[in-house]
Amino acid sequence: KQEVTQIPAALSVPEGENLVLNCSFTDSAIYNLQWFRQDPGKGLTSLLLIQSSQREQTSGRLNASLDKSSGRSTLYIAASQPGDSATYLCAVEETSYDKVIFGPGTSLSVIP
Amino acid sequence: GAGVSQSPRYKVTKRGQDVALRCDPISGHVSLYWYRQALGQGPEFLTYFNYEAQQDKSGLPNDRFSAERPEGSISTLTIQRTEQRDSAMYRCASSLSPRLAEITGELFFGEGSRLTVL
Repeated sequence: KQEVTQIPAALSVPEGENLVLNCSFTDSAIYNLQWFRQDPGKGLTSLLLIQSSQREQTSGRLNASLDKSSGRSTLYIAASQPGDSATYLCAVEETSYDKVIFGPGTSLSVIP
Repeated sequence: GAGVSQSPRYKVTKRGQDVALRCDPISGHVSLYWYRQALGQGPEFLTYFNYEAQQDKSGLPNDRFSAERPEGSISTLTIQRTEQRDSAMYRCASSLSPRLAEITGELFFGEGSRLTVL
């Protein structure tokens, strides 16, 4: 059974710092990995999607990497801003069942 | 529609009542997912559809929960004889492709339906 974990559960950093969020998954048989952002009381917004054949994806200040063999992904946020404060979730799409399984999320707070 | 639409946004019901939650996916999206999210946790998979076919319902907690998507568009998640433990945010998502990997597509979420069972 696929399990997705995220470390740390919560993170607080001063504005301007670069930071890394981690995602691990137990079964490397995935089609892709996706990072989402969730603001309090809101829905989920897709940030980046990495296909299983890719190593990384970049969008603005965000860079996500994928090491499928080791079951790990990282989301790198450069020059963090208070507006980046949110919960960040990773999700993998399994090849075996086509389900998209989410991790528990990392709650990020960027202090002005 | 422009985005995934869920209704009602908020539902308060008494224990034992049945509830129906509706999801209207983005027009043309083939896949539709239902998730349940508890406070402070990631979304928990319930079930999903490709077109009108329910592909996987292994995440439904018990037989009080059911879902349908009869015409391959709007979906309804029904909870019979609700219990307090059913209280949660229920989220619907849709994607363009039956398999996300075939297209560089994304999973688009609605705002969710918050269910409170008293």
